[in-house]
Amino acid sequence: GESVGLHLPTLSVQEGDNSIINCAYSNSASDYFIWYKQESGKGPQFIIDIRSNMDKRQGQRVTVLLNKTVKHLSLQIAATQPGDSAVYFCAETPDEKLTFGTGTRLTIIP
Amino acid sequence: ETGVTQTPRHLVMGMTNKKSLKCEQHLGHNAMYWYKQSAKKPLELMFVYSLEERVENNSVPSRFSPECPNSSHLFLHLHTLQPEDSALYLCASSQQGGGYTFGSGTRLTVV
Repeated sequence: GESVGLHLPTLSVQEGDNSIINCAYSNSASDYFIWYKQESGKGPQFIIDIRSNMDKRQGQRVTVLLNKTVKHLSLQIAATQPGDSAVYFCAETPDEKLTFGTGTRLTIIP
Repeated sequence: ETGVTQTPRHLVMGMTNKKSLKCEQHLGHNAMYWYKQSAKKPLELMFVYSLEERVENNSVPSRFSPECPNSSHLFLHLHTLQPEDSALYLCASSQQGGGYTFGSGTRLTVV
């Protein structure tokens, strides 16, 4: 069946370095993709989104890259800070119902 | 605050109890969702309401009963739950074509 998955379940990054979190998706009909951040004790929070007619979108310290050819999505976080420690989920949808991956836990090393 | 408020934040209930989870959104969105989040599993979609009509029920056991009295409020009524139903229950809302805004969730423990 269709699935959204993440390459690595955990990622540790030195504070100040850049982080890259990857996501593979299998539904070629998906045209809208979102990255969420979930901190302990909280619900997922929207970080950034991208539609399939784009291959890159930048926010404040975050960039999402979309490669439709290989069905790959990535989230880049610049100058990682302690507050970036969380679980990051990618989500995709072809029809407004989001399908989520299992998440990657990002740990920042001081 | 995200604009989606869930109460209670924590709930412990026995298997014979009846309780309800509440979700309220202040964003003017026209769709609301219940998700279940268990350890090491992806978010599982339970129910979708669009314009106050249930448009999806993802094979959820009948011991979970949703209610959407208006576009701002969503309830999840719980009855005779099992220990494996212990999880974080997340409510979300959206406007057509947009991403979801989530509440902080209700941490449910069934004893």
